[in-house]
Amino acid sequence: DAGVIQSPRHEVTEMGQEVTLRCKPISGHNSLFWYRQTMMRGLELLIYFNNNVPIDDSGMPEDRFSAKMPNASFSTLKIQPSEPRDSAVYFCASRRRDRGQMNTEAFFGQGTRLTVV
Amino acid sequence: AQSVTQPDIHITVSEGASLELRCNYSYGATPYLFWYVQSPGQGLQLLLKYFSGDTLVQGIKGFEAEFKRSQSSFNLRKPSVHWSDAAEYFCAVGANYGQNFVFGPGTRLSVLP
Repeated sequence: DAGVIQSPRHEVTEMGQEVTLRCKPISGHNSLFWYRQTMMRGLELLIYFNNNVPIDDSGMPEDRFSAKMPNASFSTLKIQPSEPRDSAVYFCASRRRDRGQMNTEAFFGQGTRLTVV
Repeated sequence: AQSVTQPDIHITVSEGASLELRCNYSYGATPYLFWYVQSPGQGLQLLLKYFSGDTLVQGIKGFEAEFKRSQSSFNLRKPSVHWSDAAEYFCAVGANYGQNFVFGPGTRLSVLP
């Protein structure tokens, strides 16, 4: 398997523009996570999905952020409008979670480095 | 809710020296514990994990970690550090049957030649 695939790897955009980050989880995985990493705040969980359903979005900073998972093989994180403070590396991760099974590890993508100027 | 602390923000060791990175967790039940490594510009890669059984677990790249329930710790060790080990290391805890991972703040490791 190719692992978790994120696109684009780098994104530079102007303040106020809409930004869409994309993620393709590992085939067969049924949980998907979006994280944001900054020097100041470290690794923060933004939202996670189980079987394509958003379970907890309490980490989403504000209404400018939205995430969707229309099917098991694709998810997007959208920021509209973007602001300079949104500059960070955004990671997508996936894992296989089976009912009654012990926890399994999450596999991370390479991340999208977002710069908002 | 679970939480993770990594007391050391930055550690510097000489190549060939031994290494121990500290991790303490807070969770009311049996935790599932992980160590990840992040090289510059890369995603996070799993080094090792503890679910149950032997409290000393072996991972990739010569790393090991020991789970100590009495101390709520899961410290990462390596007997001889290589220059390529310079990276950021994250400890994480997952809840039993839970859906979330909580990551510590990370420890940055620098290796002197």
